[in-house]
Amino acid sequence: DARVTQTPRHKVTEMGQEVTMRCQPILGHNTVFWYRQTMMQGLELLAYFRNRAPLDDSGMPKDRFSAEMPDATLATLKIQPSEPRDSAVYFCASGLVPGSGETDTQYFGPGTRLTVL
Amino acid sequence: QKEVEQDPGPLSVPEGAIVSLNCTYSNSAFQYFMWYRQYSRKGPELLMYTYSSGNKEDGRFTAQVDKSSKYISLFIRDSQPSDSATYLCATQKAAGNKLTFGGGTRVLVKP
Repeated sequence: DARVTQTPRHKVTEMGQEVTMRCQPILGHNTVFWYRQTMMQGLELLAYFRNRAPLDDSGMPKDRFSAEMPDATLATLKIQPSEPRDSAVYFCASGLVPGSGETDTQYFGPGTRLTVL
Repeated sequence: QKEVEQDPGPLSVPEGAIVSLNCTYSNSAFQYFMWYRQYSRKGPELLMYTYSSGNKEDGRFTAQVDKSSKYISLFIRDSQPSDSATYLCATQKAAGNKLTFGGGTRVLVKP
């Protein structure tokens, strides 16, 4: 049963600390998305990659956030320094493009629940 | 104003009732429309996927898209307690591009 995996599932840290979240996309998928979910803003895109190249990171605060894909099986999202307003659930999703119909679907991981004190 | 608007609910219905959910969107560039279901503390999972206007049915679920009015709907027939979740509508300008989500509607189906 192929699925997106994310680590850690939960993270509590203090303001100013570096946070690294990892995502393993579904094997064979070439597109990886990072979304953030909060009660106030809902689900919003931070950045996404296709074939490991960044396509859109306009949703990401670039002064503190960075996203990379060191290889096809790993995507990382870093926050440095972290702030309390970064507290949210961060989801990774992967998909295969081009596809047809529902093969363009984005499959979501379980999320990393981040709390910054 | 958000590009995709969705009533947050909660929407409470008795088991067996029809659940009716809807979203409106403002950007006519959106071509693909989806409904995701999200259980508490889980990631969203795709329920329905529709391209352009029209209806699509899958079991107890029916999705409708009316591009002329920028209105998308999801109907759940014979609702079950296991349907209790948050339902998110999502739109996309082109296949493989980012999803723009509504805020989600929390649904509670009471036995």
